[in-house]
Amino acid sequence: AQRVTQPEKLLSVFKGAPVELKCNYSYSGSPELFWYVQYSRQRLQLLLRHISRESIKGFTADLNKGETSFHLKKPFAQEEDSAMYYCALSGGETSGSRLTFGEGTQLTVNP
Amino acid sequence: NAGVTQTPKFQVLKTGQSMTLQCAQDMNHEYMSWYRQDPGMGLRLIHYSVGAGITDQGEVPNGYNVSRSTTEDFPLRLLSAAPSQTSVYFCASSQGYGYTFGSGTRLTVV
Repeated sequence: AQRVTQPEKLLSVFKGAPVELKCNYSYSGSPELFWYVQYSRQRLQLLLRHISRESIKGFTADLNKGETSFHLKKPFAQEEDSAMYYCALSGGETSGSRLTFGEGTQLTVNP
Repeated sequence: NAGVTQTPKFQVLKTGQSMTLQCAQDMNHEYMSWYRQDPGMGLRLIHYSVGAGITDQGEVPNGYNVSRSTTEDFPLRLLSAAPSQTSVYFCASSQGYGYTFGSGTRLTVV
């Protein structure tokens, strides 16, 4: 079974401070990990895919298979980063495109 | 290119009523799915489809039916609405690993 855990439901930081949103997963094979973002009352948007190893809006995430983690980081938070962030896992070819989401972390960046 | 379109955006139902949430995509994606979003529980998979004529249950399928007669459409039917089905419902489609989400349907069952 595949499972994603985001231990922090709420995270509040000040503008310009570093931010880290935690994500841990359990999966027996080789997973694909994603971060999705949902701004207030909008649809979910893909933020990052671990296989692309890119930086979007200053956010990065590294897959740590030893710790089964995929934490999302940004060195200097901005007010426009305030949103709900979801970590998600796909089991790859063995489970098609099925995505399992974590519970979500609501990030608030204060001025 | 509209992407994934969901209707209606808002709906209030009485307990026991039935209704269908519509979802359509114009990207020729094979994979479509329905999620419900509840506070503190993230998004939970209700039903999904890997292609026309093929559907399967997700994590929380009870009380919901789906069908996939065409590649474009994937409606979600509530058979007899219950207050526990009050939620925000998202439809998504995918071809590979990138998901495109609809704007959601906010459903209240009273």
